[in-house]
Amino acid sequence: DAKTTQPNSMESNEEEPVHLPCNHSTISGTDYIHWYRQLPSQGPEYVIHGLTSNVNNRMASLAIAEDRKSSTLILHRATLRDAAVYYCILRDWGETSGSRLTFGEGTQLTVNP
Amino acid sequence: NAGVTQTPKFRILKIGQSMTLQCAQDMNHNYMYWYRQDPGMGLKLIYYSVGAGITDKGEVPNGYNVSRSTTEDFPLRLELAAPSQTSVYFCASSLLGRGNTEAFFGQGTRLTVV
Repeated sequence: DAKTTQPNSMESNEEEPVHLPCNHSTISGTDYIHWYRQLPSQGPEYVIHGLTSNVNNRMASLAIAEDRKSSTLILHRATLRDAAVYYCILRDWGETSGSRLTFGEGTQLTVNP
Repeated sequence: NAGVTQTPKFRILKIGQSMTLQCAQDMNHNYMYWYRQDPGMGLKLIYYSVGAGITDKGEVPNGYNVSRSTTEDFPLRLELAAPSQTSVYFCASSLLGRGNTEAFFGQGTRLTVV
């Protein structure tokens, strides 16, 4: 499985934008980049995914580097409810392995009031 | 839709006991996954299934067994429980797709082995 590298922790202030980076230098051509987040004492929840182009949804934006070796999850205005662990994942599709979904350690985001 | 339902939510086992963690989804998803999460750590994939009758090992399969007799259910069996299996277990499911489908997670089962 292709691996991702994220900072262990980041801090932000409420109402300010947050840029969460992810490096995935061994990404393959058919890997999708997914982001999930895990609020305290809950299961992970889907945030956004993309392949090559930047993506926007109601929760966040995903900016993907032109060479696809890195990506950035953007929360446009952080709220206290955005405090969570954010995981960057490459969705592996292999003919023999099916679609594994492998997590790293993620980035703990702290939002200060 | 209930989504992904895990039972029980909490369980205390004695060393050497066995139990089955239940996972059910009502979204007709092909893929199902079992993870464990130790305190302060990320999720580790235990087993996964790409459809009924098909299962495969993940990163940490030792001490666990799974079966997938129906699309809806994916139980995780612990035989001879050990303290190292104290963890929070999450089940997830997703639709068939070429890496572009989102996964849905249950709320977890907190297991303590004493």
